[in-house]
Amino acid sequence: QKEVEQDPGPLSVPEGAIVSLNCTYSNSAFQYFMWYRQYSRKGPELLMYTYSSGNKEDGRFTAQVDKSSKYISLFIRDSQPSDSATYLCIARDSNYQLIWGAGTKLIIKP
Amino acid sequence: KAGVTQTPRYLIKTRGQQVTLSCSPISGHRSVSWYQQTPGQGLQFLFEYFSETQRNKGNFPGRFSGRQFSNSRSEMNVSTLELGDSALYLCASSGRGTNTEAFFGQGTRLTVV
Repeated sequence: QKEVEQDPGPLSVPEGAIVSLNCTYSNSAFQYFMWYRQYSRKGPELLMYTYSSGNKEDGRFTAQVDKSSKYISLFIRDSQPSDSATYLCIARDSNYQLIWGAGTKLIIKP
Repeated sequence: KAGVTQTPRYLIKTRGQQVTLSCSPISGHRSVSWYQQTPGQGLQFLFEYFSETQRNKGNFPGRFSGRQFSNSRSEMNVSTLELGDSALYLCASSGRGTNTEAFFGQGTRLTVV
């Protein structure tokens, strides 16, 4: 079992829909979580990070962590075609090593 | 501030050859990590270097090795290339504080034929 699990998709939704991207993790010691976005032929770039359980909002993006169920979510409101990318969820362990999910490919149809 | 620079961007090698990839981190960053990205496996951690020392290592065979120089630039070497080594190799640099963000280069696309 991978330490961070993520459905590879692709997830295809119409423009304007609310997108929900999800990950689960197995190590309860993980304290710091991030979402990276990767466009085709580019390196990943940080979208959001969060330390604790609960919600964190940044514009159209909301990151949610539920430590009791080891569940990480990213919500995108009013999705745009420019949001089409691969979204990677990451947990950081106590040695500062980043544990990556495989990524979910998101397609927003105009 | 210049970003993370990886060279070369594209590379084609034949089975059995060896290859060296280079990564120049963001100025001031002392941690450099290497990742392999394939469609099937996603992003997999290879190793991390900090101040010229390997700090962490992923589950890759000994054919994969790396090093870091005193200026924090890092190289990754793969010997006896196999077809399955075809992938995008990404390098990331970061600081070591609590708000660790990894900044990625655009990667080196390696194709083994």
